[in-house]
Amino acid sequence: DAKTTQPNSMESNEEEPVHLPCNHSTISGTDYIHWYRQLPSQGPEYVIHGLTSNVNNRMASLAIAEDRKSSTLILHRATLRDAAVYYCILNAGGTSYGKLTFGQGTILTVHP
Amino acid sequence: GAVVSQHPSRVICKSGTSVKIECRSLDFQATTMFWYRQFPKQSLMLMATSNEGSKATYEQGVEKDKFLINHASLTLSTLTVTSAHPEDSSFYICSARGAGGKGGYTFGSGTRLTVV
Repeated sequence: DAKTTQPNSMESNEEEPVHLPCNHSTISGTDYIHWYRQLPSQGPEYVIHGLTSNVNNRMASLAIAEDRKSSTLILHRATLRDAAVYYCILNAGGTSYGKLTFGQGTILTVHP
Repeated sequence: GAVVSQHPSRVICKSGTSVKIECRSLDFQATTMFWYRQFPKQSLMLMATSNEGSKATYEQGVEKDKFLINHASLTLSTLTVTSAHPEDSSFYICSARGAGGKGGYTFGSGTRLTVV
């Protein structure tokens, strides 16, 4: 599986935007970029995923570099409930999804 | 949306006993289920992948005779930790993959296993 690199931790203030980076220089052409987050003592929660184009949903936006070697998860207005570990994961898409392999993720702290 | 129910949320068992954890997909058919283990302050580690009606595929280093996985139906998978020992104490999480939606993977809420 292609590997991703994320900062260990980031901090933000409430109601400010947060940009969480992810490097994936060995991404293959069929790899989707997935983002999940995990709150303490809970299972991971889906945030967003994309292939080439930028994606938006009610939770976040995903900006994908033109060469696809990096991406950024954007939380437009951080809340205290967004404090979690954020995982950037590559996954083979198409008709056969592969397994999700989690890295260490980024611990996001949101200050009131 | 897709929901996966995992039970129990917490369990304490005595060393040497077995514990069964259930994972149910409530509103979709889960053709594949994944079982993860997570130790404190660490990331999720994939233990095994199971397809409905087939034997599970275990990751390297995971004892298949100790962690029994059954995926007999499209909505239910179980993980049984046999002859549990204190070092098996961990947070166990299942994930189900069905058709469409949310990138294809839905996670259970996890089971905190404590072996005393």
